[in-house]
Amino acid sequence: AQSVTQPDIHITVSEGASLELRCNYSYGATPYLFWYVQSPGQGLQLLLKYFSGDTLVQGIKGFEAEFKRSQSSFNLRKPSVHWSDAAEYFCAVGARGGNQFYFGTGTSLTVIP
Amino acid sequence: GAGVSQTPSNKVTEKGKYVELRCDPISGHTALYWYRQSLGQGPEFLIYFQGTGAADDSGLPNDRFFAVRPEGSVSTLKIQRTERGDSAVYLCASSFRGGAGDTQYFGPGTRLTVL
Repeated sequence: AQSVTQPDIHITVSEGASLELRCNYSYGATPYLFWYVQSPGQGLQLLLKYFSGDTLVQGIKGFEAEFKRSQSSFNLRKPSVHWSDAAEYFCAVGARGGNQFYFGTGTSLTVIP
Repeated sequence: GAGVSQTPSNKVTEKGKYVELRCDPISGHTALYWYRQSLGQGPEFLIYFQGTGAADDSGLPNDRFFAVRPEGSVSTLKIQRTERGDSAVYLCASSFRGGAGDTQYFGPGTRLTVL
């Protein structure tokens, strides 16, 4: 069965510091990979997605993610965090040829001044 | 155009009651999804519509849950005989074509509280 693991429940970083949020997946073949952000009272917003090709994917708000097949990982990064980045971040996978998304449990990001 | 909208934003009900949650997808999107997000968890798939038909309802937890999309646009998630364990945020998403490779756009959710 497909599964998505986000090992960090909560991360705190200082504003201006770099950020890396981890995501590992378990699936028989390379799935579609997504990162979403959820701010309080807001819907999930897509940050970026990986389907194929270049393993380094650029997204909105200065985020990027790198797909590493050998590690079954799709970690999200940002070189310099802004206070407005404080939110819940979800990694999701979609099975190729399937209909469903599988979400991780999320990582809550706190940004301190 | 407008994004995905969901009504009501909050719903409080008593155990055993019936509730309906509504989702208005982005115009032109053929695919519609319902998810349930419990506290501290990621969204959990419930059901997927392609047009008017439920293409995949494997995520519905039991027969108290039912969803319809009669005209291929608005969808209603219906929960009978609500239980306290049904308390969660119910999310709706739509996409242009459907399938796991198509970007899903999410609504703000309906927070259901069963007392």
